[in-house]
Amino acid sequence: AQTVTQSQPEMSVQEAETVTLSCTYDTSESDYYLFWYKQPPSRQMILVIRQEAYKQQNATENRFSVNFQKAAKSFSLKISDSQLGDAAMYFCAYRRSGSARQLTFGSGTQLTVLP
Amino acid sequence: ETGVTQTPRHLVMGMTNKKSLKCEQHLGHNAMYWYKQSAKKPLELMFVYSLEERVENNSVPSRFSPECPNSSHLFLHLHTLQPEDSALYLCASSQVSAGYSPLHFGNGTRLTVT
Repeated sequence: AQTVTQSQPEMSVQEAETVTLSCTYDTSESDYYLFWYKQPPSRQMILVIRQEAYKQQNATENRFSVNFQKAAKSFSLKISDSQLGDAAMYFCAYRRSGSARQLTFGSGTQLTVLP
Repeated sequence: ETGVTQTPRHLVMGMTNKKSLKCEQHLGHNAMYWYKQSAKKPLELMFVYSLEERVENNSVPSRFSPECPNSSHLFLHLHTLQPEDSALYLCASSQVSAGYSPLHFGNGTRLTVT
């Protein structure tokens, strides 16, 4: 079974600084997708960034980028120039290719942005 | 407009009550999901309706009963709940196809069982 581990329950970062959130996963599959979701106080889970396992290039979305290390099964999220609006719970998630249902989430990292 | 709308936003119910959670998606997706989010735990997949097929997590108690009358609507019927069922219940939808499709979530229903 796939598992996703986020070892940092809480993180904080100064506004305008950079922070990295960690995520590791365990799978025997070779084709899969990885996601980072953000859950602000509004409770809606919002997709931040996604990575296809077959792509070696790390995904980037504006201030958000990932460091995808397939051999190490590591998928960290880097937030550059942190903003107050980035404060939220961040979830790492894994999904096997071709599966409608097997989206496995980590337990989340609560990010606080300090003014 | 989130694309996925959940009602009610908050629900308090006694253990003997019967209530239903409602989810509606306006994105034209063909799969819908119920997730349970408890404090300090990973999201737990409860049910999936995909291409008119129902898939369920075998660990979900029978006091939770899903209904998916069409591809845009999803319900979660609740009866004889326990206090440990208090949690945030999230609905999501996606487009099942050959490629990947991220989930789009609603704002959730905060359920408190007294």
